[in-house]
Amino acid sequence: NAGVMQNPRHLVRRRGQEARLRCSPVKGHSHVYWYRQLPEEGLKFMVYLQKENIIDESGMPKERFSAEFPKEGPSILRIQQVVRGDSAAYFCASSPPGTLSSGYTFGSGTRLTVV
Amino acid sequence: QKEVEQNSGPLSVPEGAIASLNCTYSDRVSQSFFWYRQYSGKSPELIMSIYSNGDKEDGRFTAQLNKASQYVSLLIRDSQPSDSATYLCAVNMDRNDMRFGAGTRLTVKP
Repeated sequence: NAGVMQNPRHLVRRRGQEARLRCSPVKGHSHVYWYRQLPEEGLKFMVYLQKENIIDESGMPKERFSAEFPKEGPSILRIQQVVRGDSAAYFCASSPPGTLSSGYTFGSGTRLTVV
Repeated sequence: QKEVEQNSGPLSVPEGAIASLNCTYSDRVSQSFFWYRQYSGKSPELIMSIYSNGDKEDGRFTAQLNKASQYVSLLIRDSQPSDSATYLCAVNMDRNDMRFGAGTRLTVKP
């Protein structure tokens, strides 16, 4: 039973390019969460999605960032026109339907470097 | 006020000692509390969860919860160098999502 799969593991983008980060949740998990972690800092909540729905995007920057979790396929975190400040580790987590009682399962993360 | 607050440390303890990590949270309706361990360059891994007031023990780890004081702690007994990592406190919020503290970096010295 595969865990949360994130790809790519490492992504290098030039300023102004677009970054697409993918996350496939644990099989049977319908809730996906994205977090950002800057070097030497904690996890900052970005967005919480269920299939085809954004439940909470209060942590998403107002511009350039978007997320989706389509009916079929992985969840995508998209960053347009990347800037150096977007360089961070982006972690995806998933949980099963129902109340959160057993914590999240995290993917290995995508390390984004903007040059 | 931050939703989840931790002493960022670093916390340094000698091998074999007890490491005590603390966390406070702001949302009184929170029901589930978690401790994650994160090694440098790796993803967080869940080590403890607690839902009721009191203590919960799992091997060398003990989680303590006091909902009246909005306080969660993690004790690590007989600390080992392999316990050196950043420990993240996490609290579930309304609507099933979770907020993390900034983490406490623990170093266990041989």
